[in-house]
Amino acid sequence: QVQLQQSGPGLVKPSQTLSLTCAISGESVSSNSATWNWIRQSPSRGLEWLGRTYYTSKWNNDYAASVRSRISINPDISKNQFSLQLESVTPEDTAVYYCARLGTYFDSWGQGTLVTVSS
Amino acid sequence: SYELTQPPSVSVSPGQTASITCSGDKLGDKFVCWFQQKPGQSPVVVIYQDNKRPSGIPERFSGSNSGNTAALTISGTQTVDEADYYCQAWDGSTYVFGTGTKVTVL
Repeated sequence: QVQLQQSGPGLVKPSQTLSLTCAISGESVSSNSATWNWIRQSPSRGLEWLGRTYYTSKWNNDYAASVRSRISINPDISKNQFSLQLESVTPEDTAVYYCARLGTYFDSWGQGTLVTVSS
Repeated sequence: SYELTQPPSVSVSPGQTASITCSGDKLGDKFVCWFQQKPGQSPVVVIYQDNKRPSGIPERFSGSNSGNTAALTISGTQTVDEADYYCQAWDGSTYVFGTGTKVTVL
């Protein structure tokens, strides 16, 4: 069973960059059998998929249209983890952020990180 | 953008059947997953590919999907089933989640 452990700050100032990391145990981030995703949840927006990274002979990324201009999801092979960076945050980006593995379905989730955007 | 609509709440008596619907344009042409989420916890899949149960999920959870509506049915509902439930589908470019349904067992 794959386990995902999230880390990162819970408070970010407006206009700054939100950065979170998801450490993977039980599978390689370079696995051909999975994609590695970030999802957030807030009362106003519900559950919202943000994007993913995955390897198929090369690294690939897909991002939700709502955040495409300011999001980056990157693998770190040496540490077997992947990260989320969301630039120019506003209070609307306040949410619980989850990392999640997608095989046939979203079968493993991180513990969630509440990120508050406030000065 | 693609939208999935669920009723905000469903109430059910213990031992009875709870049904939760998820509506979206031509949803029957897509695979649907259902997640259970309890307060303070991460979502857990209870149904995938419309009607398949992951190992460890009780048989009382079942799913269907046809036309514009998918449904999650909980037969013989137990108090431990009280939670928020979300449907989810892939619209070709984005993973879309439903609006969520709070199931109350009373």
